[in-house]
Amino acid sequence: GDSVTQMEGPVTLSEEAFLTINCTYTATGYPSLFWYVQYPGEGLQLLLKATKADDKGSNKGFEATYRKETTSFHLEKGSVQVSDSAVYFCALRGRAAGNKLTFGGGTRVLVKP
Amino acid sequence: DTEVTQTPKHLVMGMTNKKSLKCEQHMGHRAMYWYKQKAKKPPELMFVYSYEKLSINESVPSRFSPECPNSSLLNLHLHALQPEDSALYLCASSQVGGAGELFFGEGSRLTVL
Repeated sequence: GDSVTQMEGPVTLSEEAFLTINCTYTATGYPSLFWYVQYPGEGLQLLLKATKADDKGSNKGFEATYRKETTSFHLEKGSVQVSDSAVYFCALRGRAAGNKLTFGGGTRVLVKP
Repeated sequence: DTEVTQTPKHLVMGMTNKKSLKCEQHMGHRAMYWYKQKAKKPPELMFVYSYEKLSINESVPSRFSPECPNSSLLNLHLHALQPEDSALYLCASSQVGGAGELFFGEGSRLTVL
């Protein structure tokens, strides 16, 4: 079945540091890939998405590129802020009937001033 | 309007109580979901409704009873819950089919005493 593996946290950074969170996936066919973010005490928000190979999703300074050859969708941000402290979930959704959203385990990021 | 609205935000109930969680969306989505999220874990799928009909039940105990009265509303009826059912309950919606994103609400935080 489908699966998503992402690096375990917590990841602790200083403000303005570079952030990268690795995400790899296993899926049949051509799934869509997502990064969701969950701020403390809140629900999940879609951060960015990519629907086909080589697509780059971007939002709020975050970027991720759909790499089919390496089955990866790594999240990057060039200069983090304290407000980026949150849990980040990589996820995929296949195209078959009854397609579910499959989450990775989540990566907690803490940005210190 | 890209919001999924959940009420109540917080709920405390005893093991003999009956309560309900409510979810509403006005994005025209015909697929709606209930997820359960424990601390430091990704969300776990509970139920999926497609065109107001239950399409997926992930072997959820019968003390959780979903209901989809119309295309905009989703309820989760709770009865005789256990303390281990304490969690964040997330509602989501999406287009039916394809591999598009799910839109999540802020969640209802449930505590069972």
